[in-house]
Amino acid sequence: DGGITQSPKYLFRKEGQNVTLSCEQNLNHDAMYWYRQDPGQGLRLIYYSQIVNDFQKGDIAEGYSVSREKKESFPLTVTSAQKNPTAFYLCASSPEDPGWETQYFGPGTRLLVL
Amino acid sequence: DAKTTQPNSMESNEEEPVHLPCNHSTISGTDYIHWYRQLPSQGPEYVIHGLTSNVNNRMASLAIAEDRKSSTLILHRATLRDAAVYYCILRGNTDKLIFGTGTRLQVFP
Repeated sequence: DGGITQSPKYLFRKEGQNVTLSCEQNLNHDAMYWYRQDPGQGLRLIYYSQIVNDFQKGDIAEGYSVSREKKESFPLTVTSAQKNPTAFYLCASSPEDPGWETQYFGPGTRLLVL
Repeated sequence: DAKTTQPNSMESNEEEPVHLPCNHSTISGTDYIHWYRQLPSQGPEYVIHGLTSNVNNRMASLAIAEDRKSSTLILHRATLRDAAVYYCILRGNTDKLIFGTGTRLQVFP
């Protein structure tokens, strides 16, 4: 089945540690996105990529980094510079990025700081 | 970015129709109206989108006001599985999806 997979489902981070969240899609989509969601809030855009080897910062990119070496993969690293990383992280993809295209979301990764 | 206004919460009984309103008085001519929903602890799911005309699909209907300053998502017969947070989002050709806090729909048996 085509879709977006995120792993792990739960991730624990120690203070000062970098962690990487995985996002893979087999939908052959060009655009991929990372969002953060805090309890009771909507989603906020961290980074997005419209093509391989290119990505742009979203609204809350500080403390995060990404790479897009392959079309199907868009991993997100939460660095130690992100002081409040506890949140629900969602990855999405879309065929292109104009206003009419819909986004397909993965199941999410919940990150907790120990 | 144009903003949307939605009620924080709504309630419905199972098998009844649900009308979820959204106001977007500052919408521009190129903004598409998107609706997504998010079940607890899951990623958002696309529901429907439109530009000017009313739209129907297997999940819902979207009624867009003639002046496009408001729209209504219609679930024709609510089920318990429709309990979720529903987001109304405006998106221009080069904009990203901007999620507000949405409307939390509760469905009672």
